[in-house]
Amino acid sequence: DGGITQSPKYLFRKEGQNVTLSCEQNLNHDAMYWYRQDPGQGLRLIYYSQIVNDFQKGDIAEGYSVSREKKESFPLTVTSAQKNPTAFYLCASSITGRSNQPQHFGDGTRLSIL
Amino acid sequence: AQSVAQPEDQVNVAEGNPLTVKCTYSVSGNPYLFWYVQYPNRGLQFLLKYITGDNLVKGSYGFEAEFNKSQTSFHLKKPSALVSDSALYFCAVSFLTGGGNKLTFGTGTQLKVEL
Repeated sequence: DGGITQSPKYLFRKEGQNVTLSCEQNLNHDAMYWYRQDPGQGLRLIYYSQIVNDFQKGDIAEGYSVSREKKESFPLTVTSAQKNPTAFYLCASSITGRSNQPQHFGDGTRLSIL
Repeated sequence: AQSVAQPEDQVNVAEGNPLTVKCTYSVSGNPYLFWYVQYPNRGLQFLLKYITGDNLVKGSYGFEAEFNKSQTSFHLKKPSALVSDSALYFCAVSFLTGGGNKLTFGTGTQLKVEL
């Protein structure tokens, strides 16, 4: 079955450490997205990518970085500059250029501080 | 700027009763509207969307939504609620940018269906 796989499901970060969250999709979608979910705040967009080797900042990009070297992969790095990284992180994908198409979501990674 | 409001943090209904989860939006031009559901520690699942045409949209698991342009609303409904419908529901509006399809989400409404 086609879908989006996020790993790991749970991740712990030490002070000053960078951590990378994995997102892989086999839906053949061009666009991929990273969201951060905090209780009572809905989902906020961190970064998004329309095509390979191209990505744009979302609403809360500070302290995060991404790469898009392959169509199916869009890893997110939470850097030590992100002072409040504890959250639930969701990856999504969609058909590019078609805003009438739904985004498909992975099952998330929960990041906590040690 | 696009925005979505879900005025109720929580909605409680009895099983078998009809349910409504409210959503209002603000967007320039014609909106593309979506409803998603989230179960604990899971990602979001797509329920239904409004693009154009009939104001009553039918979706997955018996859910439907009514688009009202004059009231800028897109309320989610179900004629008979199930305990298994208990989850977090998000309304979202889509708009197209040079970088692709972007969604703006509401803050979510927790639905609790009780026996």
